[in-house]
Amino acid sequence: EPEVTQTPSHQVTQMGQEVILRCVPISNHLYFYWYRQILGQKVEFLVSFYNNEISEKSEIFDDQFSVERPDGSNFTLKIRSTKLEDSAMYFCASGLGLSSYEQYFGPGTRLTVT
Amino acid sequence: AQSVTQLGSHVSVSEGALVLLRCNYSSSVPPYLFWYVQYPNQGLQLLLKYTTGATLVKGINGFEAEFKKSETSFHLTKPSAHMSDAAEYFCAVTKNFGNEKLTFGTGTRLTIIP
Repeated sequence: EPEVTQTPSHQVTQMGQEVILRCVPISNHLYFYWYRQILGQKVEFLVSFYNNEISEKSEIFDDQFSVERPDGSNFTLKIRSTKLEDSAMYFCASGLGLSSYEQYFGPGTRLTVT
Repeated sequence: AQSVTQLGSHVSVSEGALVLLRCNYSSSVPPYLFWYVQYPNQGLQLLLKYTTGATLVKGINGFEAEFKKSETSFHLTKPSAHMSDAAEYFCAVTKNFGNEKLTFGTGTRLTIIP
């Protein structure tokens, strides 16, 4: 069964460093999302991406964040200069679109900023 | 704006007993509703969804949920708990058009007592 994959599973970085979190969505899906979950808190929407552009972003998704689909298979989230409060589990999701509203989630990347 | 409230961050039930996890939503437009399950160190797996049609929806692993518009609820039930049901459960809502972001509740951790 096709699944969303994410790498790395755990990333430790120092404050101020850039990180790139990678996701491979399900191959025929058209919609892509990033969510995050700070430890002990709810899963929060960051950004959605469709047709090679951002379709919606949350207040959390400021200028330090960017997304890219560089090669038609990968979907990346870049944090330009990490802060302590960026420590969280980051989930990638993809959706087929049309009348299918399900979003399929990857296993997540745990980002720890020290 | 949409929101989800999950009553009870922790629920414990005995093996074989009824599982009831509560979810209430707020939405300015007709909602689509989802339940996701998260096992330790894994991503979010879709249990079931309500979009249109029958208000009682059945999902995987014997779970079901009923959409009650008058009560703005979408509670998750399972007649007989199994040890393998121990996990975190998230209720989520989205708008009934397009492939919009999911808004999650804070989650309910289900513990099964042998």
